[in-house]
Amino acid sequence: DAGVIQSPRHEVTEMGQEVTLRCKPISGHDYLFWYRQTMMRGLELLIYFNNNVPIDDSGMPEDRFSAKMPNASFSTLKIQPSEPRDSAVYFCASSARLLEAFFGQGTRLTVV
Amino acid sequence: KQEVTQIPAALSVPEGENLVLNCSFTDSAIYNLQWFRQDPGKGLTSLLLIQSSQREQTSGRLNASLDKSSGRSTLYIAASQPGDSATYLCAVDSGNTPLVFGKGTRLSVIA
Repeated sequence: DAGVIQSPRHEVTEMGQEVTLRCKPISGHDYLFWYRQTMMRGLELLIYFNNNVPIDDSGMPEDRFSAKMPNASFSTLKIQPSEPRDSAVYFCASSARLLEAFFGQGTRLTVV
Repeated sequence: KQEVTQIPAALSVPEGENLVLNCSFTDSAIYNLQWFRQDPGKGLTSLLLIQSSQREQTSGRLNASLDKSSGRSTLYIAASQPGDSATYLCAVDSGNTPLVFGKGTRLSVIA
């Protein structure tokens, strides 16, 4: 397996624009997580799914953030409208039965 | 609410030294503890996973120990090399919750 695949690797967008981040988990994993990493706050959980169903989205900072998992092999994290304070690295991770978690390479988002 | 603390935040050592990175967590009711490595601008690479029934795990020059009752874990790196320079992150879960991360220890191994 190629591991967790995220796209794009880098995204630069203007304030107010919609941003969509994509993730392909490892085949067979039933959990998918979205994390955000900043220097100030470290790694924070935004939302996670089990068998494509959102379980806990309490980490999503605002209504501007939304996430979907339409099938077992794909998830998106959308920010609309984006703001400069959303600039961070966004990681997707997957695991089987909440055992060892595997992370993607991340998407570095810059909102100007 | 689980909180994970890693000390020190940064560490610089000469090549060849053995070193210990520390991780503590506030709620001892954990299921797994996982150590990760993160290189600058890269993702997280899983190094070692310790389940709550285990006391340690080893992989090459790395050894991680777990003391659940005291809420502590250590990552021991033997004979450090410049290639070990990275940020090391500790994370725990409670069996039905995702990983909660510490802020990491940034390690520099000087040749």
